[in-house]
Amino acid sequence: GDSVTQMEGPVTLSEEAFLTINCTYTATGYPSLFWYVQYPGEGLQLLLKATKADDKGSNKGFEATYRKETTSFHLEKGSVQVSDSAVYFCALSDPGNAGNMLTFGGGTRLMVKP
Amino acid sequence: NAGVTQTPKFQVLKTGQSMTLQCAQDMNHEYMSWYRQDPGMGLRLIHYSVGAGITDQGEVPNGYNVSRSTTEDFPLRLLSAAPSQTSVYFCASRTSGGNEQFFGPGTRLTVL
Repeated sequence: GDSVTQMEGPVTLSEEAFLTINCTYTATGYPSLFWYVQYPGEGLQLLLKATKADDKGSNKGFEATYRKETTSFHLEKGSVQVSDSAVYFCALSDPGNAGNMLTFGGGTRLMVKP
Repeated sequence: NAGVTQTPKFQVLKTGQSMTLQCAQDMNHEYMSWYRQDPGMGLRLIHYSVGAGITDQGEVPNGYNVSRSTTEDFPLRLLSAAPSQTSVYFCASRTSGGNEQFFGPGTRLTVL
């Protein structure tokens, strides 16, 4: 079946540091890829997405590129802020699966210190 | 638009009790789903529905029942709660042709 693996956290960075959170996947079909963010005490919000190989999703300074050859979708940001502290989830939806529902990675907690 | 709403926000149950977690959406989305979130395991799909009257099992359906009598509502029932069902539960919805899911704020359930 499908699966998503992302780096374990917590990741602790100083403000303005460069961020990378690794995400790799396995899928039977041609999935769409997503990054969701969960701020403390809240539900999940879509951060960015990519629907086909070589697509780059971007939002709020975050970027991720759909790499089919390495089955990866790493999240990057050039300069993190304290307000970016949250849990980040990599996910995929595979049209080959019934209902095309999301498969999530385990989540990575990011802590940004002033 | 309220989006996806869930009630209650918090709940404590004793082993063996039953309860229903409520989920509603006002976006006329055909697809609705329930996930549970456990530390280090991300979110796992419990049940989903592709339209009123149609439901199916996800990855971890045991111990949970669902029904979908209207487009707007998708309740999740725990018939006999167990400590292993202590978790945070999220409801989500999307259109049939889209792939972006919209999540509710979650219900934190503790089973003693």
